[in-house]
Amino acid sequence: QVTLRESGPALVKPTQTLTLTCTFSGFSLSTSGMCVSWIRQPPGKALEWLALIDWDDDKYYSTSLKTRLTISKDTSKNQVVLTMTNMDPVDTATYYCARSYDPHARPPFFDYWGQGTLVTVSS
Amino acid sequence: DIQMTQSPSTLSASVGDRVTITCRASQSISSWLAWYQQKPGKAPKLLIYKASSLESGVPSRFSGSGSGTEFTLTISSLQPDDFATYYCQQYNSYSPFTFGPGTKVDIK
Repeated sequence: QVTLRESGPALVKPTQTLTLTCTFSGFSLSTSGMCVSWIRQPPGKALEWLALIDWDDDKYYSTSLKTRLTISKDTSKNQVVLTMTNMDPVDTATYYCARSYDPHARPPFFDYWGQGTLVTVSS
Repeated sequence: DIQMTQSPSTLSASVGDRVTITCRASQSISSWLAWYQQKPGKAPKLLIYKASSLESGVPSRFSGSGSGTEFTLTISSLQPDDFATYYCQQYNSYSPFTFGPGTKVDIK
């Protein structure tokens, strides 16, 4: 059974750095073709993909946010960590982590999602 | 970046109606398109991948079609559980992956 769970602060101040952790079970990020992404959704708005890390430790980022994002993994702990620097009130959103798997290592869709964690940016 | 659009943005329908949502990509994405359903306060749920492949466990009243730049999601007979927001997502190439703006299906 695949599960993912996001954790991190519910409230951050402007200019601070956000660190979110995705803890997962039911799959291994060392399996060829396996990926974990971070996706966010501001209140009442659409989904926005942020970053992806794959089994080979390749990393991909949103074009508009790549200077602020870092994604990393700890395969032994079954965790993926996202850091976002210089937080602003417009970054207030629910942040999801999601799994992708393609045995042919093609770019992926997202088949399992965490429940999401709401992060509010406010002073 | 590939841009995704959806129409309509809101759709009012009744139980039993046939519903069609359109998604368009700003350039060809072959069949690399997924559809998700999202209910308020919940994570998105995968419905369709590779434009027309039904995810395991998803009711057969959901179907997808299209290729290139134009795609559709059809619900053949709308059920009470189907009132939700639907998003398309392209995965033609690594980075960035983009979602459509969503289509909200509500009760007429």
